[in-house]
Amino acid sequence: NAGVMQNPRHLVRRRGQEARLRCSPMKGHSHVYWYRQLPEEGLKFMVYLQKENIIDESGMPKERFSAEFPKEGPSILRIQQVVRGDSAAYFCASSPGAGRDEQFFGPGTRLTVL
Amino acid sequence: DAKTTQPPSMDCAEGRAANLPCNHSTISGNEYVYWYRQIHSQGPQYIIHGLKNNETNEMASLIITEDRKSSTLILPHATLRDTAVYYCIVRGPIDKLIFGTGTRLQVFP
Repeated sequence: NAGVMQNPRHLVRRRGQEARLRCSPMKGHSHVYWYRQLPEEGLKFMVYLQKENIIDESGMPKERFSAEFPKEGPSILRIQQVVRGDSAAYFCASSPGAGRDEQFFGPGTRLTVL
Repeated sequence: DAKTTQPPSMDCAEGRAANLPCNHSTISGNEYVYWYRQIHSQGPQYIIHGLKNNETNEMASLIITEDRKSSTLILPHATLRDTAVYYCIVRGPIDKLIFGTGTRLQVFP
């Protein structure tokens, strides 16, 4: 059973470009979470999605950031018009259901904005 | 904001038990204590969680005080591969994990 997969693992963008980060949850998992980790800091929650629904986006910046988890395919975190402050590691986690299920994390995507 | 307080760093000799403390004095009755660790820059790894009873699995033991205001994660025989940042997290009904700054555990030979 493959774990949570994220791609790309490393992504370099110039200021003003768009970044698209993909997350494929573990098989059978319908809940996806995105977290961001700035250099030398802890992880910060961004958004929680179930299939086709955003459940909690309280950690998402109000502008330029969006997330989706379509019925088919991976979850996508999209960052428009990237700035240098967006440089960070972005981790995706999945769980089989709501409640106390543990979250399994992917290896992360390291975004560098030049 | 994180509802937990952890020491920023700890050392442990290889083969000895590593005891990592966590304070969560404002924990609510329906909130669980979770532990994750992050080795280098990898994705966090789940270790263990509990509500009020002590818990044990193949990785670690979790001791929660009777008043639930603090807990201790115990790695019974630390190895060099246990060197990581350990996060204690209080998780409520909303499913997101709120990470603090964690404890950086250094296991030395």
